[in-house]
Amino acid sequence: GDSVTQMEGPVTLSEEAFLTINCTYTATGYPSLFWYVQYPGEGLQLLLKATKADDKGSNKGFEATYRKETTSFHLEKGSVQVSDSAVYFCALRDTGFQKLVFGTGTRLLVSP
Amino acid sequence: GAGVSQSPSNKVTEKGKDVELRCDPISGHTALYWYRQSLGQGLEFLIYFQGNSAPDKSGLPSDRFSAERTGGSVSTLTIQRTQQEDSAVYLCASSLAVQGGNEQFFGPGTRLTVL
Repeated sequence: GDSVTQMEGPVTLSEEAFLTINCTYTATGYPSLFWYVQYPGEGLQLLLKATKADDKGSNKGFEATYRKETTSFHLEKGSVQVSDSAVYFCALRDTGFQKLVFGTGTRLLVSP
Repeated sequence: GAGVSQSPSNKVTEKGKDVELRCDPISGHTALYWYRQSLGQGLEFLIYFQGNSAPDKSGLPSDRFSAERTGGSVSTLTIQRTQQEDSAVYLCASSLAVQGGNEQFFGPGTRLTVL
C-alpha cells in the first residue's frame, strides 16, 4: 500500500540556518503531495502542496519540489526562525483515494 | 468564518466505557474525515464521508468504532467498550469537495485517555 517515510527528529537548528527535512513516498497511482505543520498547542495546517511531477509548492519561505524520479518531496527553507519550531508532516493522497497518508512527523527545534 | 471545531477537547474515560466525539466541519464543506494521532501509529485515517454517498470505513481499526454524519454536517465518532490502546488524539478534517489536491482543514482534535 501507499506509504510516506520521513527523516526522524528532532532536528535542532540555530536561527538563520538552512533546513532540509527529507520525505520519500510509495504510491500506486499519481499522488498529490503535501506538507502539513503542527505548531505547539495547535491543529494541523497545510503548509504547501504539489499535485504533479516537477511542481514546486511554496509558502512562508518553505519550498518542496515533487520529484517523481526519486519519489521524493523534501522540505527546505533557506533561513529558519524560532517561530518555525513545530512538527512537520509529509503526506500524500493517491489517485482515486481521498484519505491522506502521513509520515511519522519530524519535530523541528530552532534556537535563537 | 469558523474553522473545524471538535468537542470535547479532552476526554478521560475508564476502560470498557463508551465515548462519543463530535466534529463540526466548516460550513459548506461536503467532505469530512476522521484521523487518529497516536504515539505508536502516527497519523492514521479512520473514516471519510462525502455528501450522501456511503462512507469509506476502511480505516476503522475494529467494529467497536463507528461514525455517523447527520444532515451532511455534524459528525460523531463513537468508540464502544474503550480499551487503553484507543488512547490518542482524534482529529477531524473537512474539505470543499473530493478532488485531487483539495485542502483538508483540520480541527484541534480531541485527546482521549483511557485509564
